[in-house]
Amino acid sequence: EDKVVQSPLSLVVHEGDTVTLNCSYEVTNFRSLLWYKQEKKAPTFLFMLTSSGIEKKSGRLSSILDKKELSSILNITATQTGDSAIYLCATDAAGGFKTIFGAGTRLFVKA
Amino acid sequence: DGGITQSPKYLFRKEGQNVTLSCEQNLNHDAMYWYRQDPGQGLRLIYYSQIVNDFQKGDIAEGYSVSREKKESFPLTVTSAQKNPTAFYLCASRIRAGTSGAYEQYFGPGTRLTVT
Repeated sequence: EDKVVQSPLSLVVHEGDTVTLNCSYEVTNFRSLLWYKQEKKAPTFLFMLTSSGIEKKSGRLSSILDKKELSSILNITATQTGDSAIYLCATDAAGGFKTIFGAGTRLFVKA
Repeated sequence: DGGITQSPKYLFRKEGQNVTLSCEQNLNHDAMYWYRQDPGQGLRLIYYSQIVNDFQKGDIAEGYSVSREKKESFPLTVTSAQKNPTAFYLCASRIRAGTSGAYEQYFGPGTRLTVT
């Protein structure tokens, strides 16, 4: 059965810290891995990683896909209180109609 | 503006009543999805539809029903058979992104249902 596992489930850091969120997956015919940020309501899209795009960066956020280890990390540098959210990892399979979500990592950044 | 709308934002119902959650999109996406989110459990797929007049059960379909009579609309009914209906419900649509063959999901703002 396809699955996505995220760790840690929750994390508390201080402003300015750097954090690394982990995501591992077992998906038949893997096609892409997606990261979302969720703050109280709908998840908002952060990154999509595929075989042709294994590293993405946007401002203080960056993500890498390791297809050999079937995993991805999401890095946030110089964290701010506005980074407090649930970060969701999800995968998509070729020929599949479903996106498989992990349970999420709840990040809390203290001022 | 293109997007997905869900209504209402908050919904309260008594146990034993059926309730229908609305989801409308004007993105012209074929595929639409309903997820349920409980604390610490991420998103769990209830139903999905790849095309009008067709839909498939997801991982936790029991106690729920859907219809897809129009491309733009994918309402979800939470029936009295659903044992723990209190949750946050998210509707989404999906479209192919770029040339990689991968898909990107767009989410509505969600409906928080409380059943007492």
